[in-house]
Amino acid sequence: EDQVTQSPEALRLQEGESSSLNCSYTVSGLRGLFWYRQDPGKGPEFLFTLYSAGEEKEKERLKATLTKKESFLHITAPKPEDSATYLCAVWDGGSQGNLIFGKGTKLSVKP
Amino acid sequence: DVKVTQSSRYLVKRTGEKVFLECVQDMDHENMFWYRQDPGLGLRLIYFSYDVKMKEKGDIPEGYSVSREKKERFSLILESASTNQTSMYLCASSSSPAGSGYTFGSGTRLTVV
Repeated sequence: EDQVTQSPEALRLQEGESSSLNCSYTVSGLRGLFWYRQDPGKGPEFLFTLYSAGEEKEKERLKATLTKKESFLHITAPKPEDSATYLCAVWDGGSQGNLIFGKGTKLSVKP
Repeated sequence: DVKVTQSSRYLVKRTGEKVFLECVQDMDHENMFWYRQDPGLGLRLIYFSYDVKMKEKGDIPEGYSVSREKKERFSLILESASTNQTSMYLCASSSSPAGSGYTFGSGTRLTVV
């Protein structure tokens, strides 16, 4: 069964303290991996799509990387406004393509 | 900017009421989805639709039904609301296949009292 596991469940950082969030997956044939950011009480917002191992994407203080078994979301010198829940999802390229979501990592950045 | 619009941000309903949650997308997407999100449980798929008048059960369809009469609109119906249906409900849409991922609405926080 396809699965997506995110760790840690929660992460508390001081402003400026860099760290990484992990998304590991077991999918028979990965066709795409997606990262979303979700603020409290709102819907998830798209951040990145990664399609193949070795691929990297960057946006401001965030960088997403992909291997054959996992993805990392690296946060460099985070600020309090980076506090949110980060969701990972995978797509196995099925005929229609439902995404399989992890449960998310809740990031808190303290000033 | 592409958008998925959910008709209500907050709803309070009584036990036993029939509840309608509406979702409209303006991206001409084929696929639409309804999820509920609860602390510690993540996103759980209720129903999805690949085309007008088509629907498929997700992981937790019990107590829910859906309607898709037009391509841009996907409605979630709680036939007889219960307190355990208190949750955040999220609508999403995607092209087919979903290689570009989902676009989500802003969510509806439903409280059943």
